[in-house]
Amino acid sequence: QVQLVQSGSEVKKPGSSVKVSCKASGGTFSTYTITWVRQAPGQGLEWMGRIIPTLNMANYAQKFQGRVTITADTSTRTAYMELSSLTSEDTALYYCARDVDKGYDLGYWGQGTLVTVSS
Amino acid sequence: QSLLTQPPSVSAAPGQKVTISCSGSNSNIGNNYVSWYQQLPGTAPKLLIYDNNKRPSGIPDRFSGSKSGTSATLGITGLQTGDEADYYCGTWDNTLRAGVFGGGTKVTVL
Repeated sequence: QVQLVQSGSEVKKPGSSVKVSCKASGGTFSTYTITWVRQAPGQGLEWMGRIIPTLNMANYAQKFQGRVTITADTSTRTAYMELSSLTSEDTALYYCARDVDKGYDLGYWGQGTLVTVSS
Repeated sequence: QSLLTQPPSVSAAPGQKVTISCSGSNSNIGNNYVSWYQQLPGTAPKLLIYDNNKRPSGIPDRFSGSKSGTSATLGITGLQTGDEADYYCGTWDNTLRAGVFGGGTKVTVL
C-alpha cells in the first residue's frame, strides 16, 4: 500500500522560500516518478515538476523554472519541493503524487500542504 | 488558460449519466495517454481512470474513459450524490515536456 505523507502547513513572508517534504511508504520509491502539483484557493490543478529519484533527474514547468527545485533522498524515501521568491500568488495547497507507471498518471497522492504567503 | 479544455460544469439527476469532455491537441492527448481524477470537496485528487480507459483497483465500473484523436471523455453512469465533485483530465505535453491538466469540471447531482 503506497502512502505519501507530506509536511505540515507553512506561513511565509513574501520574498522568502518554502520547502515541503513528501515521505513515501510501501511500494518502490526510487524507480517511480514523484510529481508536485499545486492548487490555489478555488482554482484547478497546476503541474509544477517531477523527479525520478533513482536518476535524480527533475524537470519543471516553464512557469516555475528558476524558482522551484525538486529533489529526492532515496535513503529516506523522501522527496522535496522548494519554491523561492514567494508572492501572495503562491498561496496554495501543494500536493506530491506518485505515478502508476507512465510518469504522468498520478495514482497516489499526498494529503496536501497548505502554504500561505502573507506579510 | 489550460491546454486541455473541459466544460466548467455538468449536471444530471440521480441514476442518470453524465459525460465530461477533455479537448487537447496532437502535442498532448493526441500522442499520450489520458488520466482522469476526482476531487471531492476538501480532499486530495484521486485517480479514476488511467491509460485512457483503465480503472485502478476499487474504482467502480460506473466510471469509464475513452479517447479519440485529440479528445477524451469521462463517463459516469448511475449518478450518485457522492459523485458530486470536481473532475480533471490530465496527460503529458510533448512540446512543453510537462504534465498538463484540464481546468476541471464540477459535477452536480440535481
